[in-house]
Amino acid sequence: SQQGEEDPQALSIQEGENATMNCSYKTSINNLQWYRQNSGRGLVHLILIRSNEREKHSGRLRVTLDTSKKSSSLLITASRAADTASYFCATHPHGSSNTGKLIFGQGTTLQVKP
Amino acid sequence: NAGVTQTPKFQVLKTGQSMTLQCAQDMNHEYMSWYRQDPGMGLRLIHYSVGAGITDQGEVPNGYNVSRSTTEDFPLRLLSAAPSQTSVYFCASSSVGGTNEKLFFGSGTQLSVL
Repeated sequence: SQQGEEDPQALSIQEGENATMNCSYKTSINNLQWYRQNSGRGLVHLILIRSNEREKHSGRLRVTLDTSKKSSSLLITASRAADTASYFCATHPHGSSNTGKLIFGQGTTLQVKP
Repeated sequence: NAGVTQTPKFQVLKTGQSMTLQCAQDMNHEYMSWYRQDPGMGLRLIHYSVGAGITDQGEVPNGYNVSRSTTEDFPLRLLSAAPSQTSVYFCASSSVGGTNEKLFFGSGTQLSVL
């Protein structure tokens, strides 16, 4: 079963606006990651936040993690048309020592209109 | 570096046929995994490997076999293709275990089973 549920499923904004995507998960985690997928391509890692971290920044990306609510959010500031893609959260379950066993959410499709 | 290379990019099979999806990485990653991506389902883990000679099942292993004879290669075998295996398949690898699991993805194989 899927660990993560993402909200919204689809998001359409104008260039320059901020985009916020949310991810909820069910079990305790070691870390949570966000990936981007352009149409017809593989996923690309964006950012990782560990369970003992609450907020992390990378360029125009800001990720927050609330382990008490089992939720995370990804904020993309000053969006660009090139940010149009699907965004996935992925969790590394706590107690799982085997790399590669990430559990992915269903994704949010972001469209940024020029 | 090529990263993670998947072949073929597209494949059409008839029900009952068998085939092997190839995955190779040149980053000396210990950890490799296979996911399938279906509309509205996100990515689901099929099989993964933590090193040469070691494999384990993921969430949806039925109908698939894997082996890991070398660090570089992690082929996925479909034993007797079924229409339910129509999907996009992604191979991914990672270098570090524990809590740091940034995955590198291949570009995917789009498989149709008629």
